[in-house]
Amino acid sequence: KQEVTQIPAALSVPEGENLVLNCSFTDSAIYNLQWFRQDPGKGLTSLLLIQSSQREQTSGRLNASLDKSSGRSTLYIAASQPGDSATYLCAALDSSYKLIFGSGTRLLVRP
Amino acid sequence: DGGITQSPKYLFRKEGQNVTLSCEQNLNHDAMYWYRQDPGQGLRLIYYSQIVNDFQKGDIAEGYSVSREKKESFPLTVTSAQKNPTAFYLCASSIGDGYNEQFFGPGTRLTVL
Repeated sequence: KQEVTQIPAALSVPEGENLVLNCSFTDSAIYNLQWFRQDPGKGLTSLLLIQSSQREQTSGRLNASLDKSSGRSTLYIAASQPGDSATYLCAALDSSYKLIFGSGTRLLVRP
Repeated sequence: DGGITQSPKYLFRKEGQNVTLSCEQNLNHDAMYWYRQDPGQGLRLIYYSQIVNDFQKGDIAEGYSVSREKKESFPLTVTSAQKNPTAFYLCASSIGDGYNEQFFGPGTRLTVL
């Protein structure tokens, strides 16, 4: 059974710092991996989707990488801003076409 | 504006009542999903539908029911059989099956009084 883990559960950084959020999954047989942002009490906003055949995807200050063999994905945020404060969730699409979510990393960027 | 709408935003239910959460999308997506989110946790799949008049159980379907009579609509009923229904409920849709990017609605927070 696929399990997705995100470490750390919470992270606090000063504004301007570059940071990396980690996501690991137990079964490498995934179709894709998706990163989401969730603001308090809100729905999820899709940030990046990496297909299993890809190594990374970039959007603005965000870069997500995927290493299926090691069961890891990272989300790199460059030059962090207070507006980046939110919970970041990763989700792996498993072999039965179901999205399996991690429990998220709560990010606080201090001004 | 294309997107997914959920209503109501907040819902209060007395024990023993059934309640229905609405989910509508105008993205022309074939697939729709319902997830449940508990505090500090990720999302868990309740039900999903890849085409009109067809749906499948997810990982936590007990105590819930759905229908898919129209492509645009995928309502979720939380029945009295659901023992712990207080949670945040999120609806999503995608172009085809789950291989494609999923887009989410704003959510409904259900509280049992």
